[in-house]
Amino acid sequence: ETGVTQSPTHLIKTRGQQVTLRCSSQSGHNTVSWYQQALGQGPQFIFQYYREEENGRGNFPPRFSGLQFPNYSSELNVNALELDDSALYLCASSSPGQGNEQFFGPGTRLTVL
Amino acid sequence: KNEVEQSPQNLTAQEGEFITINCSYSVGISALHWLQQHPGGGIVSLFMLSSGKKKHGRLIATINIQEKHSSLHITASHPRDSAVYICAVLRSSARQLTFGSGTQLTVLP
Repeated sequence: ETGVTQSPTHLIKTRGQQVTLRCSSQSGHNTVSWYQQALGQGPQFIFQYYREEENGRGNFPPRFSGLQFPNYSSELNVNALELDDSALYLCASSSPGQGNEQFFGPGTRLTVL
Repeated sequence: KNEVEQSPQNLTAQEGEFITINCSYSVGISALHWLQQHPGGGIVSLFMLSSGKKKHGRLIATINIQEKHSSLHITASHPRDSAVYICAVLRSSARQLTFGSGTQLTVLP
C-alpha cells in the first residue's frame, strides 16, 4: 500500500508569483484535503476534493484553487503569492468507506520572499 | 474561543515519566484524531477514536463524548517521544478536520 506523497518538499517563491503543489493520495482513497500550517500554529483547512469535485472550503481567498484528477491525486494552486502564504502545506487522503480517517503526506514547505 | 483547545501548550518531562495531554472541543463530532508532528513537518496519525479507549504500545487515548474531552497518555516516556502532539476533530457535519494548536512535548534523558 502506497502512502500519501507530496511534491516538491521545499519551494522558494517571490511575491506575486504563482505556485502549484502536488499530492498523491493513498491507494484506495478518493478524498484529498489540503491544509495550511503557519509556523507555530495548528493546520488550517483550505479545501477538500471528493471524486474530482470540491467538497468543502475553508476561509481562504479565491487565489487558492485546486484540482483533483481521475486517479484522485490533487493539486493546490496559489496565485499572486503574498508573504503570509509562507507555510507548510499538508495534504491528507481519506475515504468515506474507511471511516474518513485521514492520512497525511510529508508536506511542502513554501517560502515567499 | 477555539473549537478545539489543548493543554498544556508546552510540556517538559524526564525520561520515564507518565505524560498526559488534554483536548476539549465544543462542537459535535464523529471522530477525534491524535496526531504526532516531528520537526520537519510530517504528521503521523496516532489514533482515531469515537468512543472509549485505544492503546498502541506505550500510547493510550481516551475520549468522553458526553464531556467533549479526550486525553492522550504516554507511559514510560522516552526522548524520541519529543514532538508536537495535535488533537483534531472530524465534525459531525463535515469531512475535514479542525485542529487544536498542538502541545510541544520535550522528554529529557
